[in-house]
Amino acid sequence: TQLLEQSPQFLSIQEGENLTVYCNSSSVFSSLQWYRQEPGEGPVLLVTVVTGGEVKKLKRLTFQFGDARKDSSLHITAAQPGDTGLYLCAGIPSLTGNQFYFGTGTSLTVIP
Amino acid sequence: KAGVTQTPRYLIKTRGQQVTLSCSPISGHRSVSWYQQTPGQGLQFLFEYFSETQRNKGNFPGRFSGRQFSNSRSEMNVSTLELGDSALYLCASTGSLAYQETQYFGPGTRLLVL
Repeated sequence: TQLLEQSPQFLSIQEGENLTVYCNSSSVFSSLQWYRQEPGEGPVLLVTVVTGGEVKKLKRLTFQFGDARKDSSLHITAAQPGDTGLYLCAGIPSLTGNQFYFGTGTSLTVIP
Repeated sequence: KAGVTQTPRYLIKTRGQQVTLSCSPISGHRSVSWYQQTPGQGLQFLFEYFSETQRNKGNFPGRFSGRQFSNSRSEMNVSTLELGDSALYLCASTGSLAYQETQYFGPGTRLLVL
């Protein structure tokens, strides 16, 4: 059983469309990170959300941390082909010490 | 600061051989974690080293081992390679960003077992 479940697992959309990716858990996290990974490369950190209910914007990307700090979402507005990649959420559960857990991942393809 | 570096970037081995992968963390980071990534299994945690001690361990067989040196550089070793060990092996060092523990990844080592 994965501690962090992401949905959808795969997403293929046309350039210009909007999309939302979800990251859910039954555990509370002190913070959650979002990463994007391109094929054959390591994940690159996009953002860290810390406070319950927090919303962070990074150009066309909007990240939200749930009020209870058990879930997060990533919304992309007007997707571009450069957004293509694997999106991963990750964090350390508040009660389980110091090990990072990664989500199951969402593979996004933006078609020009 | 220089990022996380991993060597080699690509490696081809045959079944039964062993392999050693190297990771240099970001300067000042004392924690290094290793992950295996395959298309069907996603990112699977192997182990984490902190100040030369294994702090956390994932659910992998004993053929997978690691160590960390006093300068925080880390190596992982896979003995008696199997076809299923073909994967991207990622190393991450952990540091603090805005008081939150954050992992920073290297580019990975692509291992192909024939």
